[in-house]
Amino acid sequence: SQTIHQWPATLVQPVGSPLSLECTVEGTSNPNLYWYRQAAGRGLQLLFYSVGIGQISSEVPQNLSASRPQDRQFILSSKKLLLSDSGFYLCAWSHRDRANTGELFFGEGSRLTVL
Amino acid sequence: GQNIDQPTEMTATEGAIVQINCTYQTSGFNGLFWYQQHAGEAPTFLSYNVLDGLEEKGRFSSFLSRSKGYSYLLLKELQMKDSASYLCAVRGPFSGGYNKLIFGAGTRLAVHP
Repeated sequence: SQTIHQWPATLVQPVGSPLSLECTVEGTSNPNLYWYRQAAGRGLQLLFYSVGIGQISSEVPQNLSASRPQDRQFILSSKKLLLSDSGFYLCAWSHRDRANTGELFFGEGSRLTVL
Repeated sequence: GQNIDQPTEMTATEGAIVQINCTYQTSGFNGLFWYQQHAGEAPTFLSYNVLDGLEEKGRFSSFLSRSKGYSYLLLKELQMKDSASYLCAVRGPFSGGYNKLIFGAGTRLAVHP
């Protein structure tokens, strides 16, 4: 069966510090990978998605970046965090096959508080 | 741009029926999803509609009208554990990307005894 893990689950960082969130998927190959952010009381905002190693599409201009060094690894980074980066970050994957429904499978989430 | 609208909050009584509406205006459409999200947790999949009509799955049903850009989620025999946010999401393709899901802001449902 397929599983997805992301870490850390919770972190508190000062403004201006770097960020690295990591996500790995097991039990499938060639997945589409996604990073979403959910601000308090708001919906999920798509930040990045990837259809393959080294292929990243950015949805929203910001000071975050994403990388996919391996097929089932997706990393969200920042060189200098802003207060507005606080939120609940969710990694997700879906099957690559277009014939599939495209259902997203989410990781447990990472709650970031920037002080 | 893409627009997905759903009510912010709803309340209902245990054992009752509630309908959560979702309207969308998107540049592409390849299916509509409903997810449930309990506070502080990741969303979990509830239903998927790609053709017009009703999909039933136990106490949950979802309806889609593509011509009207409209969907609803129907929850029957409400239980206290159904208190959660319900997210409507539309699958692309959008602007050159396929298999992207864009989410509405979610409807926070509170079930009271």
